[in-house]
Amino acid sequence: DSGVTQTPKHLITATGQRVTLRCSPRSGDLSVYWYQQSLDQGLQFLIQYYNGEERAKGNILERFSAQQFPDLHSELNLSSLELGDSALYFCASSVVGLADNEQFFGPGTRLTVL
Amino acid sequence: GENVEQHPSTLSVQEGDSAVIKCTYSDSASNYFPWYKQELGKRPQLIIDIRSNVGEKKDQRIAVTLNKTAKHFSLHITETQPEDSAVYFCAASGPLSGGYNKLIFGAGTRLAVHP
Repeated sequence: DSGVTQTPKHLITATGQRVTLRCSPRSGDLSVYWYQQSLDQGLQFLIQYYNGEERAKGNILERFSAQQFPDLHSELNLSSLELGDSALYFCASSVVGLADNEQFFGPGTRLTVL
Repeated sequence: GENVEQHPSTLSVQEGDSAVIKCTYSDSASNYFPWYKQELGKRPQLIIDIRSNVGEKKDQRIAVTLNKTAKHFSLHITETQPEDSAVYFCAASGPLSGGYNKLIFGAGTRLAVHP
């Protein structure tokens, strides 16, 4: 157990819908990262937050948005869902948020869009 | 843009043999190179990492080498065991507006160790 929690574990929804994925970082970690892992694919970096502020952005679609709240938990919002958005979404956290800080991954949320 | 290429995509070895996975990166300013192991249905976990001021690092049966000139780094697993079977991802630190705050991951190598 890495100490990073993600809810829900599984999510099944329909095209065009909107969902919210939630992540709680390890105690003491200030930075949160979101990744998308499609079937048999690598980890695509979406976005990073540090202490409530957006710090880095990857290939995140405009239909996706995220935020980090004062208690440091983070939410990833996915809207106008398409079939291709079906994937495993991981959240990771690190102490400060520099690239050479170890990132601890949560168990992931498996999103299925039908 | 920044890119990390990883080879091979699949690797099958007999128990006790060695396994080598290679990665190349495009950004010469990358200075941190971690390796993650992801077992089926589970989260990625860091197994070893190396920084640009070091050429080699070893932790029991696992070692990583870095060649900054050639911009490639490799993971070596010796005396492989069935529990080493997993997908392995390499990564390199990537740029962000003057800082290096994100990791760029390779596509992964599926390692199968047969008893």
